[in-house]
Amino acid sequence: IVMTQSPDSLAVSLGERATINCKSSQSVLVSSSNKNSLTWFQQKPGQPPKVLIYWASTRESGVPDRFSGSGSATDFTLTISSLQAEDVAVYYCQQYYSSPYTFGQGTRLEIK
Amino acid sequence: QVHLQQSGPGLVKPSQTLSLTCAISGDSISNNLVAWNWIRQSPSRGLEWLGRTYYTSKWNNDYAESFKSRITYNPDTSKNQVSLQLDSVTPEDTAVYYCARQFDSYFGYWGQGTLVTVSS
Repeated sequence: IVMTQSPDSLAVSLGERATINCKSSQSVLVSSSNKNSLTWFQQKPGQPPKVLIYWASTRESGVPDRFSGSGSATDFTLTISSLQAEDVAVYYCQQYYSSPYTFGQGTRLEIK
Repeated sequence: QVHLQQSGPGLVKPSQTLSLTCAISGDSISNNLVAWNWIRQSPSRGLEWLGRTYYTSKWNNDYAESFKSRITYNPDTSKNQVSLQLDSVTPEDTAVYYCARQFDSYFGYWGQGTLVTVSS
């Protein structure tokens, strides 16, 4: 499954909304559970990826509620409702519907 | 709290074997609800899943097709760690390697990463 993110990079003003898209080449919806097998990660320099969202829309414990995930089947969105300085990072989507598990190419988020 | 601590050499010569270890605390590698994955990251290839090992009533391995001929996972229950061996490395295998715990299907915990450079 090929994961394609857009845009590759994004500059947003502090306090504004940031939106990152992820498209999978085939559906990652598990029909038996009606859950989408998609994770959003945040990665800062020198650190491993950190889970923000799993099952496409479930926020990981401790993640600020300005982060939200939406979408289903092949089209997904990560939204940061009000950008903070500490949100500067690269964001990745990943499907765990079927192996080989695959990642998007990443979206670099910067402050405008 | 689950913690994954990676160790291993940062420099490997071409044609030799890359060996890394991921020591787990806060969970058992034999937990049959969990899989232990290896992922690598390089500027040219991005994040690339190598494979996983998991225990049901026996150990199971699931490797990415492009690595099947030269990758081995070795779980060590006595030390509660999993190790990765990648044979016949080339400079294209230069990357940061991560181990990651997969529970409820997603990768919730990651090791700190190990930069491995393949160079003579």
